[in-house]
Amino acid sequence: AQSVAQPEDQVNVAEGNPLTVKCTYSVSGNPYLFWYVQYPNRGLQFLLKYITGDNLVKGSYGFEAEFNKSQTSFHLKKPSALVSDSALYFCVPDTGRRALTFGSGTRLQVQP
Amino acid sequence: DTAVSQTPKYLVTQMGNDKSIKCEQNLGHDTMYWYKQDSKKFLKIMFSYNNKELIINETVPNRFSPKSPDKAHLNLHINSLELGDSAVYFCASSQDSSAGETQYFGPGTRLLVL
Repeated sequence: AQSVAQPEDQVNVAEGNPLTVKCTYSVSGNPYLFWYVQYPNRGLQFLLKYITGDNLVKGSYGFEAEFNKSQTSFHLKKPSALVSDSALYFCVPDTGRRALTFGSGTRLQVQP
Repeated sequence: DTAVSQTPKYLVTQMGNDKSIKCEQNLGHDTMYWYKQDSKKFLKIMFSYNNKELIINETVPNRFSPKSPDKAHLNLHINSLELGDSAVYFCASSQDSSAGETQYFGPGTRLLVL
């Protein structure tokens, strides 16, 4: 079975500082992992995914995530946060059920 | 060009009514989905269609009935609406139903049942 944990309900960061939204996974076999973002009152947008290959995955809006097998982590990072990055972020495993399983996410608040 | 669109965006209705939500994707994808997001922001899969064929049918009340007239459309009809149906409903699509395929979501339909 595949599952993820986002240990922080909320992350606060000042604009211009680097940001990290944490995700750890528990999987059997090779995991497929996604990051999605939900801006206030808007739909979910795909940011990036890890399937196989390079451990560093680059995605939309300057975000990247590193797949770390030894630490079973897939943290989302951005070198310099923008106020407009404030949103709800979901780390999502593909459990092979042909549907994605979402948790409650991590709320990122970027302060000006 | 909107890849996955839903109508309406907002729906306010009385208990007991019947309503439909429409979804269309112009990505040429084979697979479409309906998810429900509750007040705590959890998204749960409700249904999935692949090439107009139902492939996922989670435990949802049979008051909810999906219909896929063609690959580009997946509509959701809800009979006898209840207060607990209030939520945001998201449509999504993916190239196919293989593991690892990216799902692209619509903007959501916010349903409020009074």
